[in-house]
Amino acid sequence: DTGVSQDPRHKITKRGQNVTFRCDPISEHNRLYWYRQTLGQGPEFLTYFQNEAQLEKSRLLSDRFSAERPKGSFSTLEIQRTEQGDSAMYLCASSLHDTEDEQYFGPGTRLTVT
Amino acid sequence: QKEVEQNSGPLSVPEGAIASLNCTYSDRGSQSFFWYRQYSGKSPELIMFIYSNGDKEDGRFTAQLNKASQYVSLLIRDSQPSDSATYLCAVTPFSGGYNKLIFGAGTRLAVHP
Repeated sequence: DTGVSQDPRHKITKRGQNVTFRCDPISEHNRLYWYRQTLGQGPEFLTYFQNEAQLEKSRLLSDRFSAERPKGSFSTLEIQRTEQGDSAMYLCASSLHDTEDEQYFGPGTRLTVT
Repeated sequence: QKEVEQNSGPLSVPEGAIASLNCTYSDRGSQSFFWYRQYSGKSPELIMFIYSNGDKEDGRFTAQLNKASQYVSLLIRDSQPSDSATYLCAVTPFSGGYNKLIFGAGTRLAVHP
């Protein structure tokens, strides 16, 4: 399977704990995006990497959120001191830098904060 | 005003009919337009993209774009029960370099036998 992969698929954590999610993009894709989706809404953009450079962070991404893509391959998204409002599906997408730039999504990580 | 608007539905069509899904966007400078299908509990799956005014066909799917009216639609011919899902419209703003997607809330399609 050469699609986008994410790990874990599900995470249940208690409020105040830290969580980290991983995304492995399609191997030749140099662009990587994180989105968050809550029930009944479309995905909302969180942050974007081109290779290892983080080029944009949404205002949705508070100081408790940090994302990295250290070698321009996989990426991690960490949430510190989780809150119940962080409960959502966290989606990773990747694309190839060209004029088309279609984004392909991974299966997502569903986070539940109790 | 939301940046991308879709009727939430549900849009109910009989099997074999044409399903018509609509989307309007507010940013006149939007560059690219995408349709994703999302089954309940799953992630979005790209089914169509369109960049130029007019129609683009791919199998049973046709995307239509009218930039002057800031309107994009998706037609699904010969609808099947397996097409029952939420259809998300997404646009890329004029961002000068990369294409973060701005999504609508989606339209739920129900195809009944």
